Amino acid sequence: DAGVTQSPTHLIKTRGQQVTLRCSPKSGHDTVSWYQQALGQGPQFIFQYYEEEERQRGNFPDRFSGHQFPNYSSELNVNALLLGDSALYLCASRDWANYGYTFGSGTRLTVV
Amino acid sequence: GQQLNQSPQSMFIQEGEDVSMNCTSSSIFNTWLWYKQDPGEGPVLLIALYKAGELTSNGRLTAQFGITRKDSFLNISASIPSDVGIYFCAGHAGQAGTALIFGKGTTLSVSS
Repeated sequence: DAGVTQSPTHLIKTRGQQVTLRCSPKSGHDTVSWYQQALGQGPQFIFQYYEEEERQRGNFPDRFSGHQFPNYSSELNVNALLLGDSALYLCASRDWANYGYTFGSGTRLTVV
Repeated sequence: GQQLNQSPQSMFIQEGEDVSMNCTSSSIFNTWLWYKQDPGEGPVLLIALYKAGELTSNGRLTAQFGITRKDSFLNISASIPSDVGIYFCAGHAGQAGTALIFGKGTTLSVSS
């Protein structure tokens, strides 16, 4: 049973560009959350999707947007990239009725 | 963004020693979770706690949900080299579906 899969694993972008990260949740999970993890820090909540709608959002600017598809997979889009956006981006999924999140291995984004 | 206060920041121990780390919050949490993150991977759930005062074990790991609902601790007994990694506490302040808030992590090093 595949867990949470994220693509790509690594990405290098130039300041000002746009990036799209992808996530496929664990089988049976319908809720997807995205987290940003800067080096040496704990993950910070970006937003959560359930039934193709953004249900909750953390303290991130509108440059960060997302989408959830009917098959529960999700995308994270970041526009006008800044150097400070360099981080590990983690996708987590769960069954809406349960608290336990399963995390993917993340996408390492480097902005130069 | 909001983070939990996790201590210690790092620990260097000998194989076979016991380890204790804790996490505090300024607000009440309804759920406490402990995760372990290895290099290049996403966090993996170790223990989930749902009730104040609850004490839960997972092999050599034991965690407790503080009576005040504002703290939690994790103990690892008889540490082994594969315990090396970063341990994060995380919590929900609301109901299922609310964002996880993470601590900054405790980095554990084990020498054999």
